[in-house]
Amino acid sequence: EAGVTQFPSHSVIEKGQTVTLRCDPISGHDNLYWYRRVMGKEIKFLLHFVKESKQDESGMPNNRFLAERTGGTYSTLKVQPAELEDSGVYFCASSPQWGANVLTFGAGSRLTVL
Amino acid sequence: ELKVEQNPLFLSMQEGKNYTIYCNYSTTSDRLYWYRQDPGKSLESLFVLLSNGAVKQEGRLMASLDTKARLSTLHITAAVHDLSATYFCAVDNSGGSNYKLTFGKGTLLTVNP
Repeated sequence: EAGVTQFPSHSVIEKGQTVTLRCDPISGHDNLYWYRRVMGKEIKFLLHFVKESKQDESGMPNNRFLAERTGGTYSTLKVQPAELEDSGVYFCASSPQWGANVLTFGAGSRLTVL
Repeated sequence: ELKVEQNPLFLSMQEGKNYTIYCNYSTTSDRLYWYRQDPGKSLESLFVLLSNGAVKQEGRLMASLDTKARLSTLHITAAVHDLSATYFCAVDNSGGSNYKLTFGKGTLLTVNP
């Protein structure tokens, strides 16, 4: 079974530019989550999709961040315009709709904003 | 606001030795998770602890949960180099919906020959 796949693994951009991160969850997983780890800090929750619907986006830092999951399959997280404090590792995770929902995480996308 | 504190944050130990990583959390929770991360890799689920007194073991790792003390421990027995990684505990802060995890900062474990 393929795991959670994230792309790109590392992105280096300049302040003010736009970056789009992509996450492909495990096939059949209705729940998709985005988390972020800023350097030296804890991994923090950003938002949660159930299929294509945003269930909870209380962790999104501000309106420069836009997450989508059209069709309920893969998801994208766009940062526009990027700021220095957005640098960090963005993790995606997925879990089935029912059962003991252990989140399966991807390897993360490292974002560096210069 | 739920807070999760791990200690130590850095742990260097010799092969063959035993040690314990501690995870304290500030409010009641339904579930506690331990994850392992190797550099550049995904977070790998190790244990899910669901109730007071729960104990789970896998190889040289054993996790326990005391919900009254709001404390979980990850005990390492006779460490080997392959256990070198970062270990995270995470607490379910979603009221049972099981998606909004609050993580500790992680413990970077280095096992030296």
